[in-house]
Amino acid sequence: GESVGLHLPTLSVQEGDNSIINCAYSNSASDYFIWYKQESGKGPQFIIDIRSNMDKRQGQRVTVLLNKTVKHLSLQIAATQPGDSAVYFCAENSYEAGGTSYGKLTFGQGTILTVHP
Amino acid sequence: KAGVTQTPRYLIKTRGQQVTLSCSPISGHRSVSWYQQTPGQGLQFLFEYFSETQRNKGNFPGRFSGRQFSNSRSEMNVSTLELGDSALYLCASSLGQAREAFFGQGTRLTVV
Repeated sequence: GESVGLHLPTLSVQEGDNSIINCAYSNSASDYFIWYKQESGKGPQFIIDIRSNMDKRQGQRVTVLLNKTVKHLSLQIAATQPGDSAVYFCAENSYEAGGTSYGKLTFGQGTILTVHP
Repeated sequence: KAGVTQTPRYLIKTRGQQVTLSCSPISGHRSVSWYQQTPGQGLQFLFEYFSETQRNKGNFPGRFSGRQFSNSRSEMNVSTLELGDSALYLCASSLGQAREAFFGQGTRLTVV
């Protein structure tokens, strides 16, 4: 079904550590995935995306890994900083040639990341 | 360049009333999507508009509706408000696909 946000997983790390946030997606037809960061009082902010024909993509301090076999996505943040503290969401999109799901994102429940100085 | 702008930021309404929320997308973006965010259900897709046409719709009752104008600005309307409609309503704009959808800061709606 759609996103369920009953109990958000939490991850607490020390400043400078690497963080790994995991996400399981449900739709095997999804072919585009995005990680968003949401700080308190703000809308989700784009971090990094990956298409299903890739299994890894790197950005600045962030890496996304995609395992289609087990429908799993992860976000790795290197040298985590206090400013990285936020809720992190994965989102999936099913792109169908000529289809109508272009603008629809299905979000995971989110993970609360807390970085301690 | 200006981001996605949502107005108002905060709203308090009474049960049974109706409400209209506004979203101005990033200049040049033709797709506007709306999401409802609650602690219990997380982020859920409401609908998406592209070039003034609703292109996709989520699983919400007919009390939730929207429209898009020729300048790509969008409004969503919720009629006969219920307590459970209290949420953060987020708007996202993109060039046409979900790729790199940019979100506004949301409208916090409280129904009392």
